[in-house]
Amino acid sequence: EAGVAQSPRYKIIEKRQSVAFWCNPISGHATLYWYQQILGQGPKLLIQFQNNGVVDDSQLPKDRFSAERLKGVDSTLKIQPAKLEDSAVYLCASSPTVAGDGYTFGSGTRLTVV
Amino acid sequence: AQSVTQPDIHITVSEGASLELRCNYSYGATPYLFWYVQSPGQGLQLLLKYFSGDTLVQGIKGFEAEFKRSQSSFNLRKPSVHWSDAAEYFCAVGPLGIQGAQKLVFGQGTRLTINP
Repeated sequence: EAGVAQSPRYKIIEKRQSVAFWCNPISGHATLYWYQQILGQGPKLLIQFQNNGVVDDSQLPKDRFSAERLKGVDSTLKIQPAKLEDSAVYLCASSPTVAGDGYTFGSGTRLTVV
Repeated sequence: AQSVTQPDIHITVSEGASLELRCNYSYGATPYLFWYVQSPGQGLQLLLKYFSGDTLVQGIKGFEAEFKRSQSSFNLRKPSVHWSDAAEYFCAVGPLGIQGAQKLVFGQGTRLTINP
C-alpha cells in the first residue's frame, strides 16, 4: 500500500512570506494529522481531522496557520505570514478510525524561514 | 495532562553492545504507548506499541519494550545494536479510544550514536 505522501520535501522562504504544504494520506484513512517538529524536539500536534471535520486544533497558531481537508482526503497546511520560529519539519500522518491501529507518518516537509 | 519524558538526550554505544532507552510517562488512565524511530531526513517509523496484555512487547528490527505500570515506564531495549540503528528514537503516549485514533504526545527524543 502506498504511504503518506507529502510535498514539497524542502522549502526555504523569507520571513513574512507565505507557504503551503500538501499531504495525501493513505487511501481509506479517515483521520489525518499535522505535526510540527522543531529541531531537537519531539513532534507536536497542530491539527487533527476526522474526514473533513476538525477534531483538535487547540495548538494551531490560528493567527498565522490554517489547514483544510476538502472532501476528506488531501490536506493543505498554510502559514501566512511566516516567522523565523516556524522553521521546523512539518509531518503529516494518517490512521484508520479503528481503535488499536497506529499512525503512518509521511517523510515531512522541512521549512527554513530566513 | 499527559506527558512523556526521555531522560537521555544522547546515548553512544558500541556496535554489538546492548541498548536501553528510557521513557517515563504521565497519564491518568491506561496509556497506549509507542516507540518510533526517525532516521535523518525521514519520517517516523513505528518500532512497537503497547495497548494491553503482555507487558513485554516485541517490535521490528529486534527491539523490545517493557511496560511497567508501577514505574510509569516503557523502556526500549535491544540485545545487540548494529551501526544501522543510529537514529533518533521517540517514545509517545496516546489515548486511542473506540471513537477513533487521537493525538500522540511525544517525548523530546534520544539520539543514538553507534561506535564501530
